[in-house]
Amino acid sequence: EIVLTQSPATLSLSPGDRVTLSCRASQSVNNYLGWYQQKPGRAPRLLIYDASNRATDIPDRFSGSGSGTDFTLTISSLEPEDSAVYYCQQRLNWPLTFGGGTKVEIK
Amino acid sequence: EVRLVESGGTVVQPGGSLRLSCAASGFTFSIYSVNWVRQAPGKGLEWVAYISARSNTIYYADSVRGRFTISRDNAKNSLSLQMNSLRGEDTAVYYCARSAIAAAGTFDDWGQGTLVTVSS
Repeated sequence: EIVLTQSPATLSLSPGDRVTLSCRASQSVNNYLGWYQQKPGRAPRLLIYDASNRATDIPDRFSGSGSGTDFTLTISSLEPEDSAVYYCQQRLNWPLTFGGGTKVEIK
Repeated sequence: EVRLVESGGTVVQPGGSLRLSCAASGFTFSIYSVNWVRQAPGKGLEWVAYISARSNTIYYADSVRGRFTISRDNAKNSLSLQMNSLRGEDTAVYYCARSAIAAAGTFDDWGQGTLVTVSS
């Protein structure tokens, strides 16, 4: 099973800040890595697939990068509505696995 | 508009059974693979099961294999999850999630979830 480790666990930042979230895989997942945003009481929403492709209707302040074992989700300028938990997920191997999540709080 | 609507969640005793359903609309259900993903209270996301468009490929997480059965009815645009021998650790919100065609194994649309509570 591929283990995904996200860091940090929590971030507290101000509107307008640049945000960088990390996801590290226990083995290479090539570029088969996605990112999801989940707000309290809501279902997750796909942000990025295959490391760097924005999903439909996702604002361009969200971007993804990386390959192999190290990946990054960047929010170029934090908006208040970006307060959420962010999860990475690999689709290279079964079982499909998620990281433990990073909570982004707005100061 | 893509819609996935789960139902069937309730309180069930340990060792009991439950069947969840997911009604799909707004897209051609029969050409998409679909999944169940769950989230225990206050915890992260866990993929549970996958079924391909024509039901010829099915995968399960180790934690549910042998106890849960995923199935679909393309004529009715519906997905099901039969859950047997339920345990306390199965308590979670269960989401129906569609796999993206261009990126199989990526969940591009989700339902709102249905809560299953296993407790005596």
